[in-house]
Amino acid sequence: GAVVSQHPSWVICKSGTSVKIECRSLDFQATTMFWYRQFPKQSLMLMATSNEGSKATYEQGVEKDKFLINHASLTLSTLTVTSAHPEDSSFYICSARTTGFETQYFGPGTRLLVL
Amino acid sequence: AQKITQTQPGMFVQEKEAVTLDCTYDTSDPSYGLFWYKQPSSGEMIFLIYQGSYDQQNATEGRYSLNFQKARKSANLVISASQLGDSAMYFCAMREGRGTSGSRLTFGEGTQLTVNP
Repeated sequence: GAVVSQHPSWVICKSGTSVKIECRSLDFQATTMFWYRQFPKQSLMLMATSNEGSKATYEQGVEKDKFLINHASLTLSTLTVTSAHPEDSSFYICSARTTGFETQYFGPGTRLLVL
Repeated sequence: AQKITQTQPGMFVQEKEAVTLDCTYDTSDPSYGLFWYKQPSSGEMIFLIYQGSYDQQNATEGRYSLNFQKARKSANLVISASQLGDSAMYFCAMREGRGTSGSRLTFGEGTQLTVNP
């Protein structure tokens, strides 16, 4: 299957700092990438959808100025959590798909802890 | 209203036995896709199987099969010959529509499967 990597896998930061998470498709061109958030014992919640070269489409209730998404190439998307606060602590996971194929392939996720 | 419903928060099965994880969905779109993903404790989401709404036959992938009953709007996952490594959270998901806007997935709440030795 297609491989998606995510970096870093773990990040601990102080409140007020910004954190950047990278999502890369390693062996296919990701025309669309997705960013999800998952709290413990809960399901995945879609935050935003991004198409290469276009602005991301955010889900209702997700602050686009707080969660900056960039999808500058067909293999890389980044999520920047700006001015992070403890309530932003969560598991962030990205997925990617390519045109013509149904399946989204997921990265291994990033655990963010804001102190 | 829930679009994807997984009614079993937890399931237990003996090693080497088969287990069925339930999933029902709700959509008025004639074109949709159904997915199952496995999430072990490490957190990664592993794609297991896909069923398209127009597919005539039930999807199978190794020990995984999808019991697709369109009229009942159900897409149950059947795992045959359970292994200890199958212990994980399992999510059912649906894609509605087509095109860019139709590529987003809606997930169910998940079922925690435990395989006992």
